[in-house]
Amino acid sequence: DAKTTQPTSMDCAEGRAANLPCNHSTISGNEYVYWYRQIHSQGPQYIIHGLKNNETNEMASLIITEDRKSSTLILPHATLRDTAVYYCILNAGGTSYGKLTFGQGTILTVHP
Amino acid sequence: DAGITQSPRYKITETGRQVTLMCHQTWSHSYMFWYRQDLGHGLRLIYYSAAADITDKGEVPDGYVVSRSKTENFPLTLESATRSQTSVYFCASSEVGARGSEAFFGQGTRLTVV
Repeated sequence: DAKTTQPTSMDCAEGRAANLPCNHSTISGNEYVYWYRQIHSQGPQYIIHGLKNNETNEMASLIITEDRKSSTLILPHATLRDTAVYYCILNAGGTSYGKLTFGQGTILTVHP
Repeated sequence: DAGITQSPRYKITETGRQVTLMCHQTWSHSYMFWYRQDLGHGLRLIYYSAAADITDKGEVPDGYVVSRSKTENFPLTLESATRSQTSVYFCASSEVGARGSEAFFGQGTRLTVV
C-alpha cells in the first residue's frame, strides 16, 4: 500500500472544527483512504473511509481532492474527548485486505 | 457480550516462557488480525487470518505462532518470550465489504516480559 504523510501534531479549540490533513501522492486507483483514531491506551477506533467521493458519517467528514493525492478529515465540533492520535491509512483490499499500515499519525489536542 | 474481547488485559511473564494471548469476536467476521504497538510507535501487523484454518504472516511474525480452528477465536502464542516482545498487543476483526470495510479492535493486552 502507498504511504501517507501527516503532521506530527495539531491543536484545536473545543467547539471548533478540527481539520486534519493527509498527503498520499502515490495513491493507487484501487486504494481507499481510511481514518482511525487511538485514544490513550485504547484500541484504534474506525472513523471513516472513502475512495474518491467525499464522505460523511455521524463522527466526521472526509474530503478527498479530485486527484486523490490528499485528503482532510473534519471533526465539525471538536470536544475534549476527541483528543487522540489520528491515523490516515491507505488500503486496497484484495490480497492486502484489512492489513493496515499504521504510520505515526497526528496527535490532536483539543483545548478547553 | 457482542464485540471483540482480548484476554488477559495485563500479563507479566518471564523470559523463555510460553504465553498465549486470546482474542474472541462475536460477529463471525472472516478476517482477524494481530498487531503489536511499542511505546511511542504505530501498530505493526504480526499475523492475520482470512478465514478459519487460513493464516498468514504480517510484517513482524518472528517468535509468534497463531491458529484459527474456529471463526470466532484467534489466539496468539509466544513460544519462548523475549524482552523485545514486551508490547501492547491488539486483536482486530473485519469483514469483506464491496466498498471496503472497517476493522474493529479489541482493548489490547499489555504484555511485559521480564
